[in-house]
Amino acid sequence: DVKVTQSSRYLVKRTGEKVFLECVQDMDHENMFWYRQDPGLGLRLIYFSYDVKMKEKGDIPEGYSVSREKKERFSLILESASTNQTSMYLCASSSGGRKAFFGQGTRLTVV
Amino acid sequence: GQQVMQIPQYQHVQEGEDFTTYCNSSTTLSNIQWYKQRPGGHPVFLIQLVKSGEVKKQKRLTFQFGEAKKNSSLHITATQTTDVGTYFCAGLGNTPLVFGKGTRLSVIA
Repeated sequence: DVKVTQSSRYLVKRTGEKVFLECVQDMDHENMFWYRQDPGLGLRLIYFSYDVKMKEKGDIPEGYSVSREKKERFSLILESASTNQTSMYLCASSSGGRKAFFGQGTRLTVV
Repeated sequence: GQQVMQIPQYQHVQEGEDFTTYCNSSTTLSNIQWYKQRPGGHPVFLIQLVKSGEVKKQKRLTFQFGEAKKNSSLHITATQTTDVGTYFCAGLGNTPLVFGKGTRLSVIA
């Protein structure tokens, strides 16, 4: 069974903390994505990567960075967490223009 | 940048009624994909449409891709309670998958 695994299902962090969200896929996909999902706003793309060590900004990259040192792993970093980053974070991977597989999501609360 | 608009945002139907959600892109797409997210779950791929004017069916679900490859629709015939969830379209053009905001379907038994 193909899998995209996110390191945490639920996370509570304090304002100003540096937060790491990890995502691992076992399908040898070259494309990986980070989205955040908020009620009424749908899925918004934060960052994506088409290859190892490669990254591109999505629609809402401010306050985030990413790292892709290995093909199977794509990390999202909140440099200094703020309350407006409280959200559901979804990682996805795909190959070419084919379907995306999503992780189960990380619900992050910043207090 | 590329934008994908999806309407309606919410839809409440009686069980047995039909349901349709519409998707429009600001640019021509190479393909369009549809996903379903059950409450508390993550988006799961339903189908991909590639050809202009393409129509595909999955049991009670009918998917269409417009002739200009800028719009798409998902129609569910005779909804059931198992259809509850949020349906997203996602367009692939010159940028990575751009998702619509989704249509949240509620089915009243």
